[in-house]
Amino acid sequence: AQSVTQLDSHVSVSEGTPVLLRCNYSSSYSPSLFWYVQHPNKGLQLLLKYTSAATLVKGINGFEAEFKKSETSFHLTKPSAHMSDAAEYFCVVSDFSRGNKLVFGAGTILRVKS
Amino acid sequence: EAQVTQNPRYLITVTGKKLTVTCSQNMNHEYMSWYRQDPGLGLRQIYYSMNVEVTDKGDVPEGYKVSRKEKRNFPLILESPSPNQTSLYFCASSLWVGSYEQYFGPGTRLTVT
Repeated sequence: AQSVTQLDSHVSVSEGTPVLLRCNYSSSYSPSLFWYVQHPNKGLQLLLKYTSAATLVKGINGFEAEFKKSETSFHLTKPSAHMSDAAEYFCVVSDFSRGNKLVFGAGTILRVKS
Repeated sequence: EAQVTQNPRYLITVTGKKLTVTCSQNMNHEYMSWYRQDPGLGLRQIYYSMNVEVTDKGDVPEGYKVSRKEKRNFPLILESPSPNQTSLYFCASSLWVGSYEQYFGPGTRLTVT
């Protein structure tokens, strides 16, 4: 079965410093991986996706993620945090065994300090 | 504008009173699904629909029903809501079951007292 584990439930950074949100995945086949962001009281927005093309994936708002098969990781990074990045981030893997189920991690809440 | 809409956005109800949360998409998508979001658990799939008239259970289907009589609509029905169904609900759609990108609605916050 497909699964993802987000290694940190909360991450706190200062504005202008790098962001690293960690995600490990488990998959019985070549995975499709995503990062979604949810701002307070808002819906879900797709940040970026990996679908077996380039291993370094660039997304919106300066975020990127690198797929590392040897480490089964898909960490999300951003060189310089902005106050508007404060939100909850979800690492997600597709499970095509039953329909197209998105399997979500538990989420990482990013706090950005001024 | 291409979008997934849900109604209502907020609902407070009492145990046992039947309710329906509507979901509609205007992108001619075949695949639709429902998720619930609970703190510390991320989102979990309730039901999904491959196309009109074809639906199947997700991971947490107990206490829910769905129907897919039209391509654009996929309502979620709680026949007898209970407090453990208090949650934030999201509808999602994609062009077809193999599409990578899924589009989410704005969410429906349900409280059952």
